[in-house]
Amino acid sequence: GDSVTQMEGPVTLSEEAFLTINCTYTATGYPSLFWYVQYPGEGLQLLLKATKADDKGSNKGFEATYRKETTSFHLEKGSVQVSDSAVYFCALTRPSGSARQLTFGSGTQLTVLP
Amino acid sequence: NAGVTQTPKFRVLKTGQSMTLLCAQDMNHEYMYWYRQDPGLGLRLIHYSVGEGTTAKGEVPDGYNVSRLKKQNFLLGLESAAPSQTSVYFCASSYSSPRGNTIYFGEGSWLTVV
Repeated sequence: GDSVTQMEGPVTLSEEAFLTINCTYTATGYPSLFWYVQYPGEGLQLLLKATKADDKGSNKGFEATYRKETTSFHLEKGSVQVSDSAVYFCALTRPSGSARQLTFGSGTQLTVLP
Repeated sequence: NAGVTQTPKFRVLKTGQSMTLLCAQDMNHEYMYWYRQDPGLGLRLIHYSVGEGTTAKGEVPDGYNVSRLKKQNFLLGLESAAPSQTSVYFCASSYSSPRGNTIYFGEGSWLTVV
């Protein structure tokens, strides 16, 4: 079945540090890939997405590139801020026309210190 | 700007009690979902619906029932609560399949079963 594997947290960084959160997936065909962010006490929000190989999703300074050859979708940001402290989830949907579900990774807690 | 609204936000139940979580969306979305979030496991799909009057099982449906009598509402029921159902529950909705459409999440409902 489909699966998403994220690097385990928690991750603690100083403000302005470079961020990478690794995400790899297992799925047949060409799934769509997503990063969601969950701020404390809130629901998940879509951060960025990519729907085909070599696509780059970007938003709020975050980027992730859909790498079919390595089945990866790593999240990066060049300079993190305290306000980026949150839990980040990698997710995918199946490529078939009947895709109705998101498969989530276990989440990575990020804390950014001033 | 209501989006997806869940009630109640917090609840404590005794083992064996029943309760219903209500989810309402005002975006005219066809698809609605119930997830549970547990530490280290990410989000897991309990049940989902692709339209009014339809429901389907997700990854972890046992112990839960759902109904979608109105397009805007999706109810999650626990008939006989168990401590293993202590979790944070998230409702979500999307216009259509999540492959190409953003999923919008509610803010969560914290349930403790003692």
